[in-house]
Amino acid sequence: GENVEQHPSTLSVQEGDSAVIKCTYSDSASNYFPWYKQELGKRPQLIIDIRSNVGEKKDQRIAVTLNKTAKHFSLHITETQPEDSAVYFCAASILNQGGKLIFGQGTELSVKP
Amino acid sequence: DSGVTQTPKHLITATGQRVTLRCSPRSGDLSVYWYQQSLDQGLQFLIQYYNGEERAKGNILERFSAQQFPDLHSELNLSSLELGDSALYFCASSGTGLSNQPQHFGDGTRLSIL
Repeated sequence: GENVEQHPSTLSVQEGDSAVIKCTYSDSASNYFPWYKQELGKRPQLIIDIRSNVGEKKDQRIAVTLNKTAKHFSLHITETQPEDSAVYFCAASILNQGGKLIFGQGTELSVKP
Repeated sequence: DSGVTQTPKHLITATGQRVTLRCSPRSGDLSVYWYQQSLDQGLQFLIQYYNGEERAKGNILERFSAQQFPDLHSELNLSSLELGDSALYFCASSGTGLSNQPQHFGDGTRLSIL
């Protein structure tokens, strides 16, 4: 079945720096790749997503890139702020297998003021 | 507020017991997903329903079962509870249940087994 690997598991940056989180997936039939932000004790919150027919998507300080050939996708956060501190999860969904999401292991991002 | 409602927020019970978790999807969404989040396993997909029918199944234990009712709310039943079942249980919903639709999560039910 699908497997999603996420790196790094922890990431510490200074406020204003950029942060990059990378994920790889195993099933080439995966066609949807969302990113979720989860603050301590809260629900996962969808922050950005990308479909397999698109190579890059941007929303203000957040961008996601997808390389279908290499089967990896990345989250880029620019001009980080302390409120960006949270655990970030990548996920993948496979065409024709319903909508189930297979999640990466999560990255704990800490933005130091 | 995601629009997905889960009750109760917290459940404390003992081993061997049975509990029911409830989820109401966002208005207009037809598909409901259940996920388990534990410290050592991360976020794991359990089961998906679409318009009352089971659509996909993950590594859901035989002690666990779910259903989606005509009003589209869903219930996850956990029986013969074990200590290892302690976790956060999230429900998510999406419009169509297809693989490329955004899923929005509820606030979860924290289950503690004593």
